[in-house]
Amino acid sequence: AQSVSQHNHHVILSEAASLELGCNYSYGGTVNLFWYVQYPGQHLQLLLKYFSGDPLVKGIKGFEAEFIKSKFSFNLRKPSVQWSDTAEYFCAVFVRDDKIIFGKGTRLHILP
Amino acid sequence: ETGVTQTPRHLVMGMTNKKSLKCEQHLGHNAMYWYKQSAKKPLELMFVYSLEERVENNSVPSRFSPECPNSSLLNLHLHALQPEDSALYLCASSLGLSTGNTIYFGEGSWLTVV
Repeated sequence: AQSVSQHNHHVILSEAASLELGCNYSYGGTVNLFWYVQYPGQHLQLLLKYFSGDPLVKGIKGFEAEFIKSKFSFNLRKPSVQWSDTAEYFCAVFVRDDKIIFGKGTRLHILP
Repeated sequence: ETGVTQTPRHLVMGMTNKKSLKCEQHLGHNAMYWYKQSAKKPLELMFVYSLEERVENNSVPSRFSPECPNSSLLNLHLHALQPEDSALYLCASSLGLSTGNTIYFGEGSWLTVV
C-alpha cells in the first residue's frame, strides 16, 4: 500500500542548530513531492515541492529538500534553524491526480 | 490571509445533532477537498470535488455528507457523529486536479463530538 513515513514525530533543537527531517514514501510510480508547514495557530502552507529536474529543491525561509529516488526519500533540511521555525512539518506525496498522501507530521520545537 | 475560509472555526455537537461545516475559496480554483486531521494520524483525504462533481470518496461513513453548491463553495453536513469523529477538518482547494497544482488549505474547523 502507498504510504508516507516521517521518522521523527517530535524534534527539539536549539537555535542555530542544523535540521534534517526524514521522509520516505512507498510507491513505485512517478511522484510529485511536497513539504507543508503549519505554524502554531495558522493554516497549512506549502514550504517547497519537487516535480522533476534538479533533485535539490529550495523553498521558502531557507529550507531545502533533496529527492533521492533510489532511497524513496525526500528529506527536509535547513542549515541553521530559528525560533520562528517552531511548527509542524508534513511531507506529502501525490501519487495520481486525485490522490495525495500525507505523513503523520513532525513537530519541531526550537529552543531560544 | 488564506484564500480558503472555513466556518465555524470551532464546533461542539452532540451525537444526535445535525450541523454543517462550510468552506469558501476565493482563488478561482476548480478543485476542492475535505481532509480530516486526527491526533497522531496522518491527514486523511475524505472527499474531492472537481468542477462541482465528486471524484473521490475515500470510504467515508455516510454520517458525513458533502455538498458543492458551486465551484467556490464546499459544505460538509454532519449527522449522528461519534466521539471518534472529533478532529480538525481541513478544507482545501487547487487550480485543478493535476498533481502539479499546489493545494491551499483553510485554517480548519475544530470539531468535538460529545
